Amino acid sequence: QKEVEQDPGPLSVPEGAIVSLNCTYSNSAFQYFMWYRQYSRKGPELLMYTYSSGNKEDGRFTAQVDKSSKYISLFIRDSQPSDSATYLCAMTLTSGTYKYIFGTGTRLKVLA
Amino acid sequence: NADVMQNPRHLVRRRGQEARLRCSPMKGHSHVYWYRQLPEEGLKFMVYLQKENIIDESGMPKERFSAEFPKEGPSILRIQQVVRGDSAAYFCASSPWATNEKLFFGSGTQLSVL
Repeated sequence: QKEVEQDPGPLSVPEGAIVSLNCTYSNSAFQYFMWYRQYSRKGPELLMYTYSSGNKEDGRFTAQVDKSSKYISLFIRDSQPSDSATYLCAMTLTSGTYKYIFGTGTRLKVLA
Repeated sequence: NADVMQNPRHLVRRRGQEARLRCSPMKGHSHVYWYRQLPEEGLKFMVYLQKENIIDESGMPKERFSAEFPKEGPSILRIQQVVRGDSAAYFCASSPWATNEKLFFGSGTQLSVL
């Protein structure tokens, strides 16, 4: 079993839809959770960074962490074609560490 | 992030040859991290370097792989005697401080071993 599981997709939605992307993990010691966006042939770009459980909102993006269920989510409101990319979840045990454990990524397509 | 420069973008090698991947961090960043992305797998940490020092190479295969970050010039990830299983995307990231949670990634080098 992988430490972090993520549905690879692709997930296709119409423009304006609310998108829900999810990851599950097995190590209950993870404390820091991140979402990265990766466009085709580009490197990952940090979208959201959260600590422990709860929600964090940034514009159209909301990150949610449920440590009791070992489940994290990224919601994208009013999705746009420019949101089409692969979304990677990542997590780590302590703050400031570079040893992130990444999910395999979910490919999202937002149709105009 | 285009400010972390990796080259080449694509590298084709035959089995047994050497591959050299280069990474120039963002201006002002002295911490470099290499990650590898195998098909159907997530990014995996390989090595963390500061100028002239290897800080953590716990994710690097024990044989054939080496990394350096000299005082002048880019960081180099070297793979000797490549095998087909080395085919992957290799990403470099940089940060200004040792414990910064935000890593800035380059666009990667796609290595294909024939």
